[in-house]
Amino acid sequence: EVQLVESGGGLVQPGGSLRLSCAASGFTFSSYWMHWVRQAPGKGLVWVSRINSDGSSTSYADSVKGRFTISRDNAKNTVYVQMNSLRAEDTAVYYCARDLYYDSDAFDIWGEGTMVTVSS
Amino acid sequence: DIVLTQSPATLSLSPGERATLSCRASQTVNNYLAWYQQKPGQAPRLLIYDASNRATAIPARFSGSGSGTDFTLTISSLEPEDFAVYYCQQRSNWPITFGQGTRLEIK
Repeated sequence: EVQLVESGGGLVQPGGSLRLSCAASGFTFSSYWMHWVRQAPGKGLVWVSRINSDGSSTSYADSVKGRFTISRDNAKNTVYVQMNSLRAEDTAVYYCARDLYYDSDAFDIWGEGTMVTVSS
Repeated sequence: DIVLTQSPATLSLSPGERATLSCRASQTVNNYLAWYQQKPGQAPRLLIYDASNRATAIPARFSGSGSGTDFTLTISSLEPEDFAVYYCQQRSNWPITFGQGTRLEIK
């Protein structure tokens, strides 16, 4: 079964850090670009970041550029996002998602999400 | 950034009826538009990519059309499981953006 499972969410104080993980199974992880998309409570979807298949190229939304770092370990079939200098507005469910096909920027497989709450 | 405006915000229909959801882009996105369905407490599900291609295992009652700036998602005959929130998403211009969503509710 093709699956993505996120972990690492939780409650963190403003200015703090958190690292989210997304473990992939059921497909050749190293062949796919991967993304993080977030959704604040009761709000819509917002794209956060993207990484290509070998990890050599990354992209970020302006709202997280310089604070978030996406990375991947193809040996562990896992993609990460390191989130620093967290703000209240970063509070959201964070989903990892698989690129439909090479550089398609459409997301065909999603994890169930992990909640990040930034609050004092 | 490209702004995607979805209409209506809420659509109230009955099972068996036809649903027509609209997504308008602030500038052309060519055909690089996708549609997703999201149910409460669940992750989004890809329905349509590149404006008119159904994703794997998506029923034929879902169809997408349009190009340039105006796009439509049509559900030909609503099933009870189709009542959800629908989002459009463009990948034509950086950054990737989503519409604000259309809530499809049971009348």
